[in-house]
Amino acid sequence: ETGVTQTPRHLVMGMTNKKSLKCEQHLGHNAMYWYKQSAKKPLELMFVYSLEERVENNSVPSRFSPECPNSSHLFLHLHTLQPEDSALYLCASSQETSGDYNEQFFGPGTRLTVL
Amino acid sequence: QKEVEQNSGPLSVPEGAIASLNCTYSDRGSQSFFWYRQYSGKSPELIMFIYSNGDKEDGRFTAQLNKASQYVSLLIRDSQPSDSATYLCAVNKGYNFNKFYFGSGTKLNVKP
Repeated sequence: ETGVTQTPRHLVMGMTNKKSLKCEQHLGHNAMYWYKQSAKKPLELMFVYSLEERVENNSVPSRFSPECPNSSHLFLHLHTLQPEDSALYLCASSQETSGDYNEQFFGPGTRLTVL
Repeated sequence: QKEVEQNSGPLSVPEGAIASLNCTYSDRGSQSFFWYRQYSGKSPELIMFIYSNGDKEDGRFTAQLNKASQYVSLLIRDSQPSDSATYLCAVNKGYNFNKFYFGSGTKLNVKP
């Protein structure tokens, strides 16, 4: 595997289900991100982990719970979601250095549908 | 006020023409600027980044940055139908870590 991988690629769940999204990066990066992309809206940053520590949470509802067990893996645990949470969830990684122009590499995304 | 603003388009140009995509941002303290291309159903991929005022060229692509006016643009020369995609402008406001803000994207259609 190369780059950033995400599983599953598609997920359909009911409002009472619990599921998890998985992201793995094979780039040796030390920062990982979750984004939400809804139709006609900008990419929304949800969570940032730098060196496995959560450094940013953009006021995301508690029904989304991230987990970063190591620098290569990132999870997004989902429970009691709402239909408006249906979106493309993208994972990204980057290498945090002293420079300001660190490229983010995106995974293919998980298309989530909440019924 | 949105952090990053882009015209949603679609912008239609004939094959071989120059496509000009624009983006404005609200925070003067923004550090660096990125252009991503996103094909339908795919994830964003980086085209270029720029962090100094002026122009930066890479093949058929030129990024332009004007920090005084707070705008970034992307020029695509000799546009090809394969350039048809949504182009996302992103601004990195992070200081201790990367913190990207994305525009809604401009849809570009290059007509054969």
